[in-house]
Amino acid sequence: EAQVTQNPRYLITVTGKKLTVTCSQNMNHEYMSWYRQDPGLGLRQIYYSMNVEVTDKGDVPEGYKVSRKEKRNFPLILESPSPNQTSLYFCASSFFPGTGGSSYNSPLHFGNGTRLTVT
Amino acid sequence: KNEVEQSPQNLTAQEGEFITINCSYSVGISALHWLQQHPGGGIVSLFMLSSGKKKHGRLIATINIQEKHSSLHITASHPRDSAVYICAVRFLPYSGGGADGLTFGKGTHLIIQP
Repeated sequence: EAQVTQNPRYLITVTGKKLTVTCSQNMNHEYMSWYRQDPGLGLRQIYYSMNVEVTDKGDVPEGYKVSRKEKRNFPLILESPSPNQTSLYFCASSFFPGTGGSSYNSPLHFGNGTRLTVT
Repeated sequence: KNEVEQSPQNLTAQEGEFITINCSYSVGISALHWLQQHPGGGIVSLFMLSSGKKKHGRLIATINIQEKHSSLHITASHPRDSAVYICAVRFLPYSGGGADGLTFGKGTHLIIQP
């Protein structure tokens, strides 16, 4: 089954304790992206990746890191989490233009979300 | 910063009513997505549009590139359509948008009462 798998679904941690949220897709998508969703603010892009070893900042990258060593995986790393990073996080993927599809003409596939609480 | 505006913010309707949700954006785009987020939190892609109109079951999405406006319509609405509907656009490069990022509207919270 084609899917984007995010783990964990729920995570409670303390300020400063490094954590990683994993994201994996099995659709051979080039484009992957991380978003956070906060009440009243909607979805905001944190980082995205056009392909392996290519990552770019979105609108709210501060306090986050990502890596794209393999096509299928795009982990989100919080080196020193703070309470203002308490949020609902989503990973998504799609095809990239000209390679069997187009992120300009390709639907986004979302993971089920990770609800993170930092105390 | 390029904006995506959705209206209405909240909408409550009776089962069977025709529903319209609107999305307006500020500059040229290459694609517009309509997403559905159910109360459980999961997000599903409904449509991707770059021009014209698309239909899937009771859902219809239209886009007017010249007017920078898109609408999502639901015919014969049902309580199971209750969800948050989100518009997301990919602005064209060099139109002031990000390199290839998506910008989201704040969503329309739809409740269909039996």
